[in-house]
Amino acid sequence: GAVVSQHPSWVICKSGTSVKIECRSLDFQATTMFWYRQFPKQSLMLMATSNEGSKATYEQGVEKDKFLINHASLTLSTLTVTSAHPEDSSFYICSARGRENQPQHFGDGTRLSIL
Amino acid sequence: TQLLEQSPQFLSIQEGENLTVYCNSSSVFSSLQWYRQEPGEGPVLLVTVVTGGEVKKLKRLTFQFGDARKDSSLHITAAQPGDTGLYLCAGVRDTGRRALTFGSGTRLQVQP
Repeated sequence: GAVVSQHPSWVICKSGTSVKIECRSLDFQATTMFWYRQFPKQSLMLMATSNEGSKATYEQGVEKDKFLINHASLTLSTLTVTSAHPEDSSFYICSARGRENQPQHFGDGTRLSIL
Repeated sequence: TQLLEQSPQFLSIQEGENLTVYCNSSSVFSSLQWYRQEPGEGPVLLVTVVTGGEVKKLKRLTFQFGDARKDSSLHITAAQPGDTGLYLCAGVRDTGRRALTFGSGTRLQVQP
């Protein structure tokens, strides 16, 4: 089946640091990638949708200057949390999809802890 | 306010019991999916239902999509400890981005 790899799986860093998370589709071309955030004991909340070669579409309430998304190729999207603060600590999950009517395949998530 | 409300939020049962999880909305979805998520991992797709009234079975799990495509249920027969996890429903509303809207989640714990 389709595999989506997310890296790193866990990162701990100091407040004010910028952190980059990678999402790769290993065996298919991902036209669209999605980024979600999940706080403890809560569900997944969509942050943004990115299409290869286009600017990401952000959900209401998500700061696009805070969460920079790049989808430069059909197999890689990155999420950069700029000047991270403790309130940005969360579980970030990406998913990737080929064609529009195909299912999303999820990565294993990145646990971000900001001290 | 969650667009997709799941109930119950938390369920702790004994091995061998049956259970049903509900996923309700006032909105119509073109399709609805159920996922199970383990701690520290991404969600894993269990099933996709597309047609109103559709019923799908996956071993001991039975999924139903409401006739109006606004709600769904997951029934587990003879639950086992391996069924423990967070169950999430997720719906696709728009035909443009076809982004998933996740439900509020149901945390299931099956005691041996």
